[in-house]
Amino acid sequence: NAGVTQTPKFQVLKTGQSMTLQCAQDMNHEYMSWYRQDPGMGLRLIHYSVGAGITDQGEVPNGYNVSRSTTEDFPLRLLSAAPSQTSVYFCASRGASGDPSYNEQFFGPGTRLTVL
Amino acid sequence: AQKITQTQPGMFVQEKEAVTLDCTYDTSDPSYGLFWYKQPSSGEMIFLIYQGSYDQQNATEGRYSLNFQKARKSANLVISASQLGDSAMYFCAISGTSYGKLTFGQGTILTVHP
Repeated sequence: NAGVTQTPKFQVLKTGQSMTLQCAQDMNHEYMSWYRQDPGMGLRLIHYSVGAGITDQGEVPNGYNVSRSTTEDFPLRLLSAAPSQTSVYFCASRGASGDPSYNEQFFGPGTRLTVL
Repeated sequence: AQKITQTQPGMFVQEKEAVTLDCTYDTSDPSYGLFWYKQPSSGEMIFLIYQGSYDQQNATEGRYSLNFQKARKSANLVISASQLGDSAMYFCAISGTSYGKLTFGQGTILTVHP
């Protein structure tokens, strides 16, 4: 299993540009989520999904869109990048209750995004 | 809404000693889970241990144990026999009935001295 994969690892954008951060998992997990981590801080939830076709907002959703057309993929779209979105972005997945992996949320390696 | 509070911004411990990292939580969900993660300087999130709110026993995983006191709403991480490689940021997190999302604390930086 590759686990949770994220691309790209690093990205530099100019203010106003848009881009998509890719996330995929091969563990057949129902739950997927996106977090951002700013320097010296904990992770804050952007958006999450409890299954294909179902998404919801987290703590800091403004400026981001998500969709979940398949169980495996959960891309995060930045609509018009702003310097305040400079951060490290983590994608994560978790099995549903009853799944052996329910007791752990698996994280991808992160994407370091800089907006100039 | 859920909240995690980690009151220790930084902790120091001597190699081979035990250390306790504090975590208190607040939730209105009747069923919830508590997680601890380690984040070394390389940046990845490493899962350490999980405790379900209805679990009777405190969780243990190798040198890690979770001191779960439900009435006090605390879920402290105990690391026994600290190693230099334990130096990292440690995060406590909680999930409730919306299982797809975790709420994280601000973290505690642990430094292990030789």
